[in-house]
Amino acid sequence: DIQMTQSPSSLSASVGDRVTITCRASQGINNSLAWYQQKPGKVPQLLIFAASTLQSGVPSRFSGSGSGTDFTLTISSLQPEDVATYYCQKYNSAPFTFGPGTKVDIK
Amino acid sequence: QVLLVESGGGVVQPGGSLRLSCTASGFTFSTYGMHWVRQAPGKGLEWVAAISYDGSNKYCADSLKGRFTISRDDSKNTLYLQMKSLRLEDTAVYYCAKVVRSSGWSSPFDYWGQGTLVTVSS
Repeated sequence: DIQMTQSPSSLSASVGDRVTITCRASQGINNSLAWYQQKPGKVPQLLIFAASTLQSGVPSRFSGSGSGTDFTLTISSLQPEDVATYYCQKYNSAPFTFGPGTKVDIK
Repeated sequence: QVLLVESGGGVVQPGGSLRLSCTASGFTFSTYGMHWVRQAPGKGLEWVAAISYDGSNKYCADSLKGRFTISRDDSKNTLYLQMKSLRLEDTAVYYCAKVVRSSGWSSPFDYWGQGTLVTVSS
């Protein structure tokens, strides 16, 4: 099975900072990669799919890139409401594995 | 609007069984693949199982095969997860989720239920 890893596992940044999270698949998954945001005590929400397509309603400060095995999620200007854990997920085929998550908070 | 409501969670002893339900509304349930995802307390998301829109294809995480079974009843707009031989490590919030694209399951999840808590404890 394909394994998903994320780095860093956590980060602390200031409001307005550019934040980048990396997700790596152990084998190529084309662009079948989604990013989810889970705020504390809340249900996960889809941010990005097909590696770089922004889900409707998601602020434009979020962006995604990558293909194959290496992907990134970027928050161009971190806002207080972005405090959350971010997960990547492969969905090209079963099993639809999630990455371990990256916890983002405000410095 | 799309609504997914899980039920059936609770406290169960190790070795016990439980059936979770997810009742869907606001979309044509019979045309969408559906998934179960769980999250142990303080831990990350773990994909559990998937079922195709017509129920002809099912897939369960390798670590759960033989104990968990996913099914659906389109006449009731309901997704199920039958869990048996439950272990302490199955304690988690269980979410059902709908895929973005109809007629497939290899698609990200655009709607999630609020989750139902399963606690395995003696």
